Amino acid sequence: SQTIHQWPATLVQPVGSPLSLECTVEGTSNPNLYWYRQAAGRGLQLLFYSVGIGQISSEVPQNLSASRPQDRQFILSSKKLLLSDSGFYLCAWSVLGAGAKNIQYFGAGTRLSVL
Amino acid sequence: AQKITQTQPGMFVQEKEAVTLDCTYDTSDPSYGLFWYKQPSSGEMIFLIYQGSYDQQNATEGRYSLNFQKARKSANLVISASQLGDSAMYFCAMTFNKFYFGSGTKLNVKP
Repeated sequence: SQTIHQWPATLVQPVGSPLSLECTVEGTSNPNLYWYRQAAGRGLQLLFYSVGIGQISSEVPQNLSASRPQDRQFILSSKKLLLSDSGFYLCAWSVLGAGAKNIQYFGAGTRLSVL
Repeated sequence: AQKITQTQPGMFVQEKEAVTLDCTYDTSDPSYGLFWYKQPSSGEMIFLIYQGSYDQQNATEGRYSLNFQKARKSANLVISASQLGDSAMYFCAMTFNKFYFGSGTKLNVKP
């Protein structure tokens, strides 16, 4: 069966420090991968998605970047964190099925606090 | 533009009763998928149910069913026999080439 791992679960970082969040998927090949951010009490905002190694699409211009160095590894990074980067970050994967059956499965999330 | 709307920020339901969470969507694409996710306080997003735009029958998964009314562009989630563990945020989502999430409904199940 497929599993998705996301770490760390919580992170407290000072403003201006770098960031690296990692997400890996097991049990499937060539998945679509996604990074979302969720502000407290709000919906999900898609940040990046990837359909293959080295292929990254950015949805929102911001202080963050993403990379996919391996088929089932997705990394979210920042060189210098801002206060506004605080939030709950979720990684997800999907494999497009028939029609529009693009079910996304999510990791447990990372709660990032920038102080 | 594509859009997902959940008009109920919060809902209360008595344990063992049924509850309907509303979702409307807007798209001009004939092929799309509709999804519901549950997000408990732990934060993880849990997939509940899927409905394809060409599916003739409403989707069901255990106590969850999706009331799909294509002409009205609505995809309401029905939870039968509510349990205390159903208390969570519920998100409606739609996809055709990207994923779009609604703003969510917070469901509280009262004992």
